[in-house]
Parts: sequence; structure tokens; C-alpha cells
Amino acid sequence: QSVLTQPPSASGTPGQRVTISCSGSSSNIGSNYVYWYQQLPGTAPKLLIYRNNQRPSGVPDRFSGSKSGTSASLAISGLRSEDEADYYCAAWDDSLSGPIFGGGTKLTVL
Amino acid sequence: EVQLVESGGGLVQPGGSLRLSCAASGFTFSSYWMSWVRQAPGKGLEWVANIKQDGSEKYYVDSVKGRFTISRDNAKNSLYLQMNSLRAEDTAVYYCASGDVQLDYWGQGTLVTVSS
Repeated sequence: QSVLTQPPSASGTPGQRVTISCSGSSSNIGSNYVYWYQQLPGTAPKLLIYRNNQRPSGVPDRFSGSKSGTSASLAISGLRSEDEADYYCAAWDDSLSGPIFGGGTKLTVL
Repeated sequence: EVQLVESGGGLVQPGGSLRLSCAASGFTFSSYWMSWVRQAPGKGLEWVANIKQDGSEKYYVDSVKGRFTISRDNAKNSLYLQMNSLRAEDTAVYYCASGDVQLDYWGQGTLVTVSS
């Protein structure tokens, strides 16, 4: 059972804006940065957002992250078919002395 | 170009052992924390272990403590995971990744199957 809670699925049509939530606690999201990873079908995960809202080089600005209290969210605007993937949030957990991942959200582009 | 290439996975019986390796290139390996993350078939990501740049600090998820050992050889730009007393629930694709929680680079993964 994941300590970070994400909805198992999300969907949208091309061009729409979609948000994925990630809920944690004071020992993880509440006191540490949040990271987002994208896993395209059959491939390894890729860092999408770091330190709550920063994008690595090469990640389109259609992807944005935010954090408030013990929750975070990933927003994808101008949805495209190639965005269909699994998305995972992650944060360091002070109680576990290690990083924890959310259960993942499968994004479907209709 | 950054590359992380895992090897050593395979089929092993319950109670058996395997040693995973990860060969790194294209970045300054000795400057990064390194991690192992696993993904059971059809499931989400689970952090397994990480190790500090000089190997002086190592951390493990509770479910593998006492059974798995992470290590590194900076001279060989390599990361290792010694897995003993393997259980069916350890069946997963094991990824090596650079970093501790900010995992900038990932390998393609190696499949470990624990079954009789």
C-alpha cells in the first residue's frame, strides 16, 4: 500500500487540460520536495518534474507541478496522444528514511 | 550520452540469491547518490535501496533489510545489488537510477523472477 495516494486513472481529450493529484502527510510531502515521473508503455520511468515545480531540460512547458501543504498536483495542458502513460509522484519520507512513490495514475487520451 | 545498463536478472528459486549489476557511463558516477527501484508485474514503482556517493551511507526499504545489500565501485562506475533469501514477492523489474529521490537517469531494467 503506497503512502502517497494518487487516483488510479485519469483521462482527457486532445487539447484538454488534465490534473493528477497526489496526497501525502507531514512526514513526506508536507516537509519535502515532490517529484513526478512519467512511464510510457514498455519503457523505464523518466523524471518529469523535480523540486515541486521545476522541469528538466527537454520537458515541454505543457507539464507543470504544484504543491500545497501535504498535497501536490501535476497538470498537463494541451493534452496530446503521446502523453498517454503512467504518472507517479514521489517524495522523501522522514519516517521511512527513504523515498516513497504514489501508486501511479494511468492517463488515457481519448 | 548518459547510460545505465543493468544485468544479472533471471529466474531463481525461493531462498536463492542473485547479484544485479549496473554499469554507468556519460556522467560523473562518483558524484551521485545511486538507487535501486523495482516494479512488480503490472504494479507501481517501489524504492528498494540507495547509497551515498562514497558508499558510507546505505538505506533500504523495510521489506528487504537483512536480505539485500547495495554497494558500488566508483573506479568501475558500477552499482550492485546483492539479493539473498529471495521470495516470490521480490519478483519484479529492477531499475538502477542516479540520485536518491530525484532520479535523473534510469536504466532499462532487469527482470528478476523468483519461482520454483
